[in-house]
Formats: sequence, structure tokens, C-alpha cells
Amino acid sequence: QQQVKQSPQSLIVQKGGISIINCAYENTAFDYFPWYQQFPGKGPALLIAIRPDVSEKKEGRFTISFNKSAKQFSLHIMDSQPGDSATYFCAASLSYFTNAGKSTFGDGTTLTVKP
Amino acid sequence: DAGVIQSPRHEVTEMGQEVTLRCKPISGHNSLFWYRQTMMRGLELLIYFNNNVPIDDSGMPEDRFSAKMPNASFSTLKIQPSEPRDSAVYFCASSLTGGSDSPLHFGNGTRLTVT
Repeated sequence: QQQVKQSPQSLIVQKGGISIINCAYENTAFDYFPWYQQFPGKGPALLIAIRPDVSEKKEGRFTISFNKSAKQFSLHIMDSQPGDSATYFCAASLSYFTNAGKSTFGDGTTLTVKP
Repeated sequence: DAGVIQSPRHEVTEMGQEVTLRCKPISGHNSLFWYRQTMMRGLELLIYFNNNVPIDDSGMPEDRFSAKMPNASFSTLKIQPSEPRDSAVYFCASSLTGGSDSPLHFGNGTRLTVT
């Protein structure tokens, strides 16, 4: 049973455009929703994260939008740059495990930003 | 901050051989995680430790897999005997507190190929 569904699988955006990646979760006990960015040959790195008591969080060009009632959250990359080309993973973790390692990851989205 | 250090970066071995992957977490981090990444199954949590104690190894696929953390600065993941289906990228990650909002810091992984 996949608890976090991520779409699209791949995304191609022109430089300067907006990249949008969506995730949906099933377990309402999830209470922390990080996004990770992974470049080829590297491990995933935390990009931005949100808690369900907030509907939006912005850090620079990256914004998470969170819809608790729909059990959905999304990553928006404004003014996308070729350097943003990477694989992006959404994740969700359970508070009562009190451990980020119990995060459930989406399948990833490969983003390509064309110059 | 040297980050999480994994070795070797690449490992090629023959079926039936023993494989040992190594990890040095970030100094001061209390939790350590082993993940496996494949195209088919994405990022899977294998096992995690808190204060050097294994907390949850339910993700370890078979008895052929074992992990140890003899001290706060070192962990190993061993596969004995290895099989071709074990081919994957294995990531080690650490976090400061292990809390649900304590981000994971991943190493650059070990790419394992079993022929």
C-alpha cells in the first residue's frame, strides 16, 4: 500500500517557468511533510518542509502549499532555473514514531529545466 | 561539517559474496538510518538506530541483511550472501534528534552491483 503518491513522474519546464509537483497522502496521522532534492550521484537533501497547521510555506523560490482537508500538498518552484534540474521527493512522517526516519517517500519527480 | 560519509562509493561483487557497507554519521547526531533506493521500489527504509540502539529493523528484507552500530560514529550494513536482486544504491542518513521534524542528512550512497 503506497501511502504517499507523487505526480508527475517527470516534468519539463522552460527556464523562468513555474514547476509544480503534487503529492497526496492517506494517513491523517502524518504530521510533517518534507521535500527532498536529489542530484545525480548524490543523496537526497532537505529542501523545505511544512507542518499541517500551516497552509503555505515559502523559502526563496520554493513554496509548499498544503491542503489538509484534501490530504494533498505540492511544491512550487518559481522562476525555475537549469540548476533546479534534479529529482524531487515528497515525504510524510508520523509524529508518534517521533522519528524522521519513519518518513514514507513518494516515488520522485524528475525535473528538467530547459535553458 | 563533513556531512554523512559512506564507503565505498561503488561496490561490484559476485553473487554469494559478503558485502559490507560503512557509514560515519554527522558528529552529534543521535539517529542513523539505512535506506535502499531502486527504480522499482524507490526509497525504502531498512533500519534505524537511536543512540546506537536498533529501534526498527522491520524494513530489512531478509536475514541475509544485518546492521550494526558499535559506537556513535560508525555503522555497517552487511549482506551475506549477496544476490543480484540486492543491486541498488544504499544510503545512510543521520538526524540530530530523531524527532519527526528533525531533517534527514543523507550521505552520497554506495552503489552496489551484484553479478
